[in-house]
Amino acid sequence: DAGITQSPRHKVTETGTPVTLRCHQTENHRYMYWYRQDPGHGLRLIHYSYGVKDTDKGEVSDGYSVSRSKTEDFLLTLESATSSQTSVYFCAISEGEGAFFGQGTRLTVV
Amino acid sequence: SQQGEEDPQALSIQEGENATMNCSYKTSINNLQWYRQNSGRGLVHLILIRSNEREKHSGRLRVTLDTSKKSSSLLITASRAADTASYFCATHGGGYSTLTFGKGTMLLVSP
Repeated sequence: DAGITQSPRHKVTETGTPVTLRCHQTENHRYMYWYRQDPGHGLRLIHYSYGVKDTDKGEVSDGYSVSRSKTEDFLLTLESATSSQTSVYFCAISEGEGAFFGQGTRLTVV
Repeated sequence: SQQGEEDPQALSIQEGENATMNCSYKTSINNLQWYRQNSGRGLVHLILIRSNEREKHSGRLRVTLDTSKKSSSLLITASRAADTASYFCATHGGGYSTLTFGKGTMLLVSP
């Protein structure tokens, strides 16, 4: 597997609490992505980064923010978790062709 | 909205048979990629085909691309039970654009 690690792998949180998911890579890839995967929707892009401190919104960015202060780390924050954000979250890295995915974080908001 | 749409949504075949999955997309692309996802795991990159290519092979995989019809197909020959997984196409517009995924085809290969 490519050197990409997501943490935590599982999390249960209460509605209204902030949550931060971490993606860490050891491949020095330029591009990093956060996707969410839901039944019937496939993978949808939340936010992405094309360099340190360079980020942009994806298709479903409302309620999420990201930060990338180092090449190797890309953080996804749910500012105030809602039940609709219950999902499996995937981080991916790329150098422009083909992406490597982390193992996913299963987040449940109760 | 999703760029790629896979067809069929689900496919069930016997070991040894060929499996064909199709992907249609809406806008111009730089390349199109296919990924596999085993249950509960992350996606694994299978193959990439550029917009100026028509066909590409990798082992038992054959990918075609028809940019005039905005469609691609993935053929898995001589399927094995281990090929059971979901398969996704993803389009890339080049440069700083992102990977946009379809909803996937669920393939079941029975022994």
